[in-house]
Amino acid sequence: QSVLTQPPSVSAAPGRKVTISCSGSNSNIGKNYVSWYQQLPGTAPKLLIYDNNQRPSGIPDRFSGSQSGTSATLAITGLQTGDEADYYCGTWDYSLSVPVFGGGTKLTVL
Amino acid sequence: QLQLQESGPGLVKPSETLSLTCTVSGGSISIDSYYWGWIRQPPGKGLEFIGSIYHSGNKHCNPSLKSRVTISADTSKNQFSLKLTSVTAADSALYYCARRLGSGTSYFDSWGQGTLVTVSS
Repeated sequence: QSVLTQPPSVSAAPGRKVTISCSGSNSNIGKNYVSWYQQLPGTAPKLLIYDNNQRPSGIPDRFSGSQSGTSATLAITGLQTGDEADYYCGTWDYSLSVPVFGGGTKLTVL
Repeated sequence: QLQLQESGPGLVKPSETLSLTCTVSGGSISIDSYYWGWIRQPPGKGLEFIGSIYHSGNKHCNPSLKSRVTISADTSKNQFSLKLTSVTAADSALYYCARRLGSGTSYFDSWGQGTLVTVSS
């Protein structure tokens, strides 16, 4: 069971917007920045968002992140079939003193 | 460009020790602010942090695995390693090495391609 809670799956049509939630507690999201990772089928995870809402070089602005209290959200606009992947949130947990991840959300672009 | 490459046996017998090495190229593991870590992913499941090490020797380890995990670094070879003892089938997974920024924040910005380890007799 993951420390951070994500919905198992989300879906939306091409061109639409989808959001993925990540719920934690005051020992993790409530105290530290959140990152998001995209894992395309058969590949390693890739950093998508760091420090709640920052994009690494090369990540399109269709991907955005936000954080409020003990929850975080990843938003993807203008959905493309190539966005079909598993998405994971992550942060530092001060109680465990280690990085923690959500259980992952599978995005299907219908 | 930073590259990480995992290496080690793909098959380990139950009760034995899993040993993996991550070779880093395009950057030094002695750089400040970065930890070097291991994450695993059982087939069809999510990501699990195993442990990480700083060039000074400072380490973080998943409490659920701490008694079985040893992480070490060889700065002369620009490598870091994972040893997991007393493995069972539950330790079968894709093992990734990754770089983690650990100064005031915590995220993994560079990953290896992963290596599949199966625990079976």
